[in-house]
Amino acid sequence: EPEVTQTPSHQVTQMGQEVILRCVPISNHLYFYWYRQILGQKVEFLVSFYNNEISEKSEIFDDQFSVERPDGSNFTLKIRSTKLEDSAMYFCASRAPPTGELFFGEGSRLTVL
Amino acid sequence: GESVGLHLPTLSVQEGDNSIINCAYSNSASDYFIWYKQESGKGPQFIIDIRSNMDKRQGQRVTVLLNKTVKHLSLQIAATQPGDSAVYFCAEKSLEAAGNKLTFGGGTRVLVKP
Repeated sequence: EPEVTQTPSHQVTQMGQEVILRCVPISNHLYFYWYRQILGQKVEFLVSFYNNEISEKSEIFDDQFSVERPDGSNFTLKIRSTKLEDSAMYFCASRAPPTGELFFGEGSRLTVL
Repeated sequence: GESVGLHLPTLSVQEGDNSIINCAYSNSASDYFIWYKQESGKGPQFIIDIRSNMDKRQGQRVTVLLNKTVKHLSLQIAATQPGDSAVYFCAEKSLEAAGNKLTFGGGTRVLVKP
C-alpha cells in the first residue's frame, strides 16, 4: 500500500542550527502539507504546497521556514535557525485526488537543545 | 475565527462496549470532516470522513454523525477493542481554504480497559 515516508525519524540539533526534514509523498498526489505537533498538543497546520508553490501557510510558518520540492519526488521542510520552541513532531501529508483525505507520514521528531 | 474542539479529553471504555467521541466546530463554511486516529509515536491515520451534505456515514465498526444545526460531529466505535486505544482527532476543511488545509481539534484519548 502506498505511503508517505519521512526522514529522519528523530533529529536532535542545537539552537540556531539549520534543519531539513524530508518527505516522499505518495506518487500520484498533487497537494503536499507540513503539520507539526508539539508534545501533548493538537496537530497544527504549517503549510500547503501545490504546483510547485505554497498555496497556504499559517502564522507559525514564518521566514525561518521554507519548503521545496527539489526533484519531483521529495518534499522538504527547512528551518533556517532553530529555536527551542521548534521542538515537535513534524508530519508530512499528501492528498489523494479528487477526495480531501490526507495521508500522513509517521513523522519526524525534532528536538532542539 | 474558525475552531474545532473536543468536549472530553479522555474516555475510558470497557472492551466490547461502544465508544462515542464528540467534536464541536465553529466554522459554518466547513464542508468536509474527518476523524483521525493517532497511536503513540505515529502519524494520524484516517478513519472515516463525511461531507456536509450528509448527516451519517458508516464504516467498519465506526459511524460518524454530523449535526450541522449545532455544528457537532461525533464518532461512534462499536464493540471497542484494545487496539482502539489511541488519541482521536476530528478535523475540518473549509470551503475558504484555498490549499485544502485541515484544521484539527484538540484530541480525545480513548483508553480501552480489558
